[in-house]
Amino acid sequence: GENVEQHPSTLSVQEGDSAVIKCTYSDSASNYFPWYKQELGKRPQLIIDIRSNVGEKKDQRIAVTLNKTAKHFSLHITETQPEDSAVYFCAASSGYSTLTFGKGTMLLVSP
Amino acid sequence: NAGVTQTPKFRVLKTGQSMTLLCAQDMNHEYMYWYRQDPGMGLRLIHYSVGEGTTAKGEVPDGYNVSRLKKQNFLLGLESAAPSQTSVYFCASSYGPTSGDYNEQFFGPGTRLTVL
Repeated sequence: GENVEQHPSTLSVQEGDSAVIKCTYSDSASNYFPWYKQELGKRPQLIIDIRSNVGEKKDQRIAVTLNKTAKHFSLHITETQPEDSAVYFCAASSGYSTLTFGKGTMLLVSP
Repeated sequence: NAGVTQTPKFRVLKTGQSMTLLCAQDMNHEYMYWYRQDPGMGLRLIHYSVGEGTTAKGEVPDGYNVSRLKKQNFLLGLESAAPSQTSVYFCASSYGPTSGDYNEQFFGPGTRLTVL
């Protein structure tokens, strides 16, 4: 089955800096890569996703890049703010119906 | 719309007891999922359903059973709870792939279960 590795497990940045979280996947057939944000005590919520037919997608301060050859994808957050502090999960579609999640990255943005 | 709801929010069980977690969605989603979340382990899929009356095993199905008798509900059962099943359980739902395109999963608020 699919295996998703996520790094780093924790990331501390100063407000205004950029943050990058990286994921690798094992199944070359995977074609959908979402990113979820989970605030403390809350449910995971989708923040951005990318499909295998594009290499990059942006939504305001958030961007995701995909390298299918290397089987890795990354989340980029620019101009970080304290409200960006949360746990971020990457995932990959391991079949027609399901997702496999990475273990998460705790992002802490200090004022 | 309430979206995805879960009942109960918290529960404490003793080893060997049984219980059922209920997930309900009002978005007419075809697909429903049960995950467990443990510290440092991410979200791991327990069971899922691609439609009313269907269920399938995920990554960590042992010790759990599920049923999808109605499209809007997905039940997760623990027949004989063990301390290793202490976790936060999340239900999710989605339209499922349409026209070959994957769709967003919407999560419920979670159920925190402790097994003593």
